[in-house]
Amino acid sequence: EAGVTQFPSHSVIEKGQTVTLRCDPISGHDNLYWYRRVMGKEIKFLLHFVKESKQDESGMPNNRFLAERTGGTYSTLKVQPAELEDSGVYFCASSRDRAHTDTQYFGPGTRLTVL
Amino acid sequence: AQSVTQLGSHVSVSEGALVLLRCNYSSSVPPYLFWYVQYPNQGLQLLLKYTSAATLVKGINGFEAEFKKSETSFHLTKPSAHMSDAAEYFCAVANQAGTALIFGKGTTLSVSS
Repeated sequence: EAGVTQFPSHSVIEKGQTVTLRCDPISGHDNLYWYRRVMGKEIKFLLHFVKESKQDESGMPNNRFLAERTGGTYSTLKVQPAELEDSGVYFCASSRDRAHTDTQYFGPGTRLTVL
Repeated sequence: AQSVTQLGSHVSVSEGALVLLRCNYSSSVPPYLFWYVQYPNQGLQLLLKYTSAATLVKGINGFEAEFKKSETSFHLTKPSAHMSDAAEYFCAVANQAGTALIFGKGTTLSVSS
């Protein structure tokens, strides 16, 4: 079974530009999560999809971040326009069921650097 | 609200020595607790999880953790460290709604020969 995949693995952009991160969850996993780790800080939750619906987006930092999950399959996270403080590693995870009853499987992350 | 505190951002041990990584939690409801490991250039991998069954949880690669409600702790241990255990370890608790994991700041384990 293929794991969670993320693309790209690294992205370097200028402040003010737009970047789109992609996540492909494990096949059959209805739950998809985005997390972010800013350097020196803990991994923080951004949002949670159940199929194509946003279940919880309480962790999204501001309206420059837009997440979508078309057809309940892969998900994209767009940052527009990017700011310096958006730099960090963005992780995607998926699970068959909700967090407290099932394991979340994480992708390798996308390292975003905003210059 | 749930939270997790990992004591010690860096832990260094010798090969063959006991590994002890500390995690304390705060939760207003019975917690679901996890330990994840991240090896260099890889994603997070689940080591073990506590879901209110046995208080001593065994995981992969010889790791185990004991849930102690009276101490609000979920420390991770391994009797004998291997060089391959060098990685960053994260303790996490599921939030009350079950929609997210709340992570500690991580502990980097170094193993010397």
